[in-house]
Formats: sequence, C-alpha cells, structure tokens
Amino acid sequence: KAGVTQTPRYLIKTRGQQVTLSCSPISGHRSVSWYQQTPGQGLQFLFEYFSETQRNKGNFPGRFSGRQFSNSRSEMNVSTLELGDSALYLCASTGSGIAETQYFGPGTRLLVL
Amino acid sequence: AQKITQTQPGMFVQEKEAVTLDCTYDTSDPSYGLFWYKQPSSGEMIFLIYQGSYDQQNATEGRYSLNFQKARKSANLVISASQLGDSAMYFCAMRRSYQLTFGKGTKLSVIP
Repeated sequence: KAGVTQTPRYLIKTRGQQVTLSCSPISGHRSVSWYQQTPGQGLQFLFEYFSETQRNKGNFPGRFSGRQFSNSRSEMNVSTLELGDSALYLCASTGSGIAETQYFGPGTRLLVL
Repeated sequence: AQKITQTQPGMFVQEKEAVTLDCTYDTSDPSYGLFWYKQPSSGEMIFLIYQGSYDQQNATEGRYSLNFQKARKSANLVISASQLGDSAMYFCAMRRSYQLTFGKGTKLSVIP
C-alpha cells in the first residue's frame, strides 16, 4: 500500500497570504489528522476528520481550517499568514484495529517571510 | 488533561549497544494507548511500537521493545543493538479523542 502523501513538500509565503496544504491518506483509511511542529511548541494537534466530519479540534485560532472530501483526502488552510505559522505540518491517517495507529506523511515545510 | 514527559533532551549510545529512552505520562483515563515514533532529519514521523493500557505483556517489534510500568505511568522505549541509522528524534505519544499528545522528544545519536 502506498503511504500518506502530502503536497506540496515545501512552501514559501509572505505574511498576510493564505495557503492550502493537501493530504492523501493510506488507501482505506477514513480518518485524517493534522499536526503542527515547531521548535518552540513541539508537536501540536490541529484537527481530525472522519468521513468528511471534524471530530476533534486543537487549540488554534480560526485562521486554521480544514476539510475532508468523500475520497478521504484532506486539505488544511491557513489564512492571513503570520511569521509564527512557519512550521512543519504533518498529516496522519489512522488505521483500523485496536491500536488505531496514526501513520504520518512526509510533511509540508512552510516558511512565512 | 493528558501529559507526556520525556526528560532526556539528548542521548548518546555506542553502535551495537542497547539504549533506553524514558517516557512518563499522566492521564486519568483507564483506557489509553501509548506510541513511540522516530523522526529522522527528513521530518517524517515513523511509527515504531504501540502499547495498550490493558495489555498484559510488554510490546516488542524487532529491535524495539517497550518497558511498560503502569503503576509508575512509564513507557520506556528500549532499542537493542543500536545502528547508525537509529540516529534521530524519538517521540512518545498518547492517544485520546482521536488525537495524539506528544512529548518534547529525545535526540538519539549513535556513535560508531
């Protein structure tokens, strides 16, 4: 099975712009989660989608939003970018089974100038 | 609220030796899952091992094993026969409500 894919891998934006990141889960996985990783705050949960519904949301401002499509692919959007949004954004899809292990993609590195 | 603590910011280990990475957790939930991930410099998080709170046996996956002490709320990762490719960041995480809470991580460096 192909793993989780994320596009683009690298992105440079300027303050005030908006950005959309894409994530394709492992085939058959219906849950997609997003995380932000920064040197200062570490790994923080953004949100989780299952069957096009957001089931859980982390403590981030409304500028961060997401959605999931019927084929389980997910996008996250950040509007009005700030310098502090520079981070590695990781997407994970969740397998079935008791462990419900989250499998991560390679991430998108966003730099806001 | 859940909390994961990894007290070792950095560790060094000689190649072919075993190493233990510490993880303690805090939760009031009776049912929980604990995970360890490896993150090389490329950035991708690689799943290593899982331990459920009701599992009677310590989890093992190849060279990785988890020393689970429920009463102490610790879930230490043991890597046997370290290899140069094991040099990376290692994160302990706990799952609740469809999300993972991560520790700050431990940077492991394997010395030839």
